Amino acid sequence: KAGVTQTPRYLIKTRGQQVTLSCSPISGHRSVSWYQQTPGQGLQFLFEYFSETQRNKGNFPGRFSGRQFSNSRSEMNVSTLELGDSALYLCASRAQDRGDYEQYFGPGTRLTVT
Amino acid sequence: GENVEQHPSTLSVQEGDSAVIKCTYSDSASNYFPWYKQELGKRPQLIIDIRSNVGEKKDQRIAVTLNKTAKHFSLHITETQPEDSAVYFCAANPYGNNRLAFGKGNQVVVIP
Repeated sequence: KAGVTQTPRYLIKTRGQQVTLSCSPISGHRSVSWYQQTPGQGLQFLFEYFSETQRNKGNFPGRFSGRQFSNSRSEMNVSTLELGDSALYLCASRAQDRGDYEQYFGPGTRLTVT
Repeated sequence: GENVEQHPSTLSVQEGDSAVIKCTYSDSASNYFPWYKQELGKRPQLIIDIRSNVGEKKDQRIAVTLNKTAKHFSLHITETQPEDSAVYFCAANPYGNNRLAFGKGNQVVVIP
C-alpha cells in the first residue's frame, strides 16, 4: 500500500496571504489528523477529520481550518498568514474510528512565511 | 488538556549500550501510548505503541513499559546502533480519544 502523501512539499508565502495544503491518506483509511511541528512547540494537534466530519480540534485560532472529502483526502487552509505560522505541517492517517489508534504520518509540507 | 513530558532531552550512548527514554502524562483517561522516531528531514515513524491494558510490549530491540499508577511509560532500546540516532517522540491520547498529545522529543545520539 502507498503511504500517506502530502502536497506541496515546500511552500513560501508572504504575510497576509492564505495557503491550502493537501493530504491523501493510506488507501482504506478514513481518518486524517493534522499537526503543526515547530522547533519551539514540538508537535501540536490541529484537528481530526473522519468521514468528512471534524471530530476533534486543537487550540489554534480560527484562521486554521480544514475539510475532508468523500474519498478521505483532506485539505487544511490557513488564512491571513503570520510569520509564526512557519512550520512543518504533518498529516496522519488512521484506519477506523473507535479502537484503532495507530496513526501514520505523511512527509509533511514545509511552510515558510516571509 | 493532556500534558506529556519527556526526559532527558538529549541522550548520548555508546554503540551496543542500552538507551531508555521516560515520559510522563497527566490525563488518567489516556489509554494509548505510541512512540515515534523522526530522523532529520523525515516524517515521524511509528515504532512501537502500548495500550493501557498491557504493562509491557517488545519488538526485537525495542520495548515499551507502562506504569499507569505513576502515569509514566518508557522506551527501551537495547544493543543500540548508529541508525538508532534520531529524535524520539512519545505521545498519549487525552480523554481516551483519537487526538495525540506529544512530548517535546528526545535527541538520541549513538556514538560508534
